[in-house]
Amino acid sequence: SQLAEENPWALSVHEGESVTVNCSYKTSITALQWYRQKSGEGPAQLILIRSNEREKRNGRLRATLDTSSQSSSLSITATRCEDTAVYFCATDQDTGYQNFYFGKGTSLTVIP
Amino acid sequence: AQTIHQWPVAEIKAVGSPLSLGCTIKGKSSPNLYWYWQATGGTLQQLFYSITVGQVESVVQLNLSASRPKDDQFILSTEKLLLSHSGFYLCAWSSPVGNQAPLFGEGTRLSVL
Repeated sequence: SQLAEENPWALSVHEGESVTVNCSYKTSITALQWYRQKSGEGPAQLILIRSNEREKRNGRLRATLDTSSQSSSLSITATRCEDTAVYFCATDQDTGYQNFYFGKGTSLTVIP
Repeated sequence: AQTIHQWPVAEIKAVGSPLSLGCTIKGKSSPNLYWYWQATGGTLQQLFYSITVGQVESVVQLNLSASRPKDDQFILSTEKLLLSHSGFYLCAWSSPVGNQAPLFGEGTRLSVL
């Protein structure tokens, strides 16, 4: 079963609107990383949020983390066509070796 | 600045043929290295990781093997490809210090026919 899961599976917004992608995870974590993957490319890091942080920002991006409900969100304001991509959350697992588990991703389409 | 390069960019191979994919990381000493596999439209599955030269740990068994012959090089290979090996192979690295999420290369698109 998935250790991390994004929702919704897919969504579309018009350029300039704001959008939020959610992530739920199943284990105790020390960090959660949001990625963006454009078609045919490797995933690019967006925001890393650690378990002792509740919110982190990077330009138009804002990530939140709620360890009590084991959930995170990624919000994008003033969306642009180039934000069209699949967004993944990836969580580490306290197993003694480094493995970040990915969800299946949310496909975001920004309509011009 | 650190750079990661994968080769080849894409491969079309026959079932039963051998495969070798490569990855090099420049600008970082003793990085943690990873191989991930991604089916079309799917999630990323970690296959192997390595924290030092000559040492590779398998995470998922997919009839593939990996080796780290140099500090900055990671190789993924198999003697006989299966149809199920098709997909997108991604090499990644992270700093050996602290719990850092992996940084990915450009990927290799593999089609097995």
